[in-house]
Amino acid sequence: QSVLTQPPSVSGTPGQTVSISCSGSSSNIASDGDTVNWYQQLPGAAPKLLIFSIDQRPSGVPDRFSGSRSGTSASLAISGLQSEDEADYYCAAWDDSLNVVFGGGTKLTVL
Amino acid sequence: QVQLQESGPGLVKPSQTLSLTCTVSGDSISSGIYYWSWIRQPAGKGLEWLGRVYTSGSANYNPSLKSRVTISVDTSKNQFSLNLRSVTAADTAVYYCARDTEIRDPWDLRFDRWGHGTLVTVSS
Repeated sequence: QSVLTQPPSVSGTPGQTVSISCSGSSSNIASDGDTVNWYQQLPGAAPKLLIFSIDQRPSGVPDRFSGSRSGTSASLAISGLQSEDEADYYCAAWDDSLNVVFGGGTKLTVL
Repeated sequence: QVQLQESGPGLVKPSQTLSLTCTVSGDSISSGIYYWSWIRQPAGKGLEWLGRVYTSGSANYNPSLKSRVTISVDTSKNQFSLNLRSVTAADTAVYYCARDTEIRDPWDLRFDRWGHGTLVTVSS
């Protein structure tokens, strides 16, 4: 059972916008710090950093990917959905227990 | 181009110690800029952070694994290592090493470079 809760799966068609939620608590997502991350894991590959500090993109990540936070939940939005976006997505954050906690992962299917 | 490469036995017997090493190229652990972490992923499951180490050798661990985990650093070889004691089948997973956040903001979170991962199976 993961500390952060994500939907197991979401789907969309090319060009659509999809959103993935990540529900936590006042000990992690809504804690003082802005440490929410999102990672993309393509099949058979290592995770890749997509979003850090809630809504910041590392160099090279398309602006189709965006992050946000509201209260104890965070969200990843993917606009202009492409077939290559089909992957597993994970949220992560520091917890007040001094542990890095991850969501259980969401499988994105591009129909 | 920063690259990380995990190495170590792919099979460990129950109750023994799992030992892995991560070799870093394209960056210097001794520069003291970053933390360096271990993360694992059981087949078909999510990610679990094991802990991180700094250049000095100081480390932070996942509280649920703290009694069994040691992460150390060898700056002369530009490597950091994971030891996980008293393993069981539940420790079977792909183990990743990753570059963590910058030391200037220790409670930031950012695994921005990852190794390809290595599968470790715990079985007799």
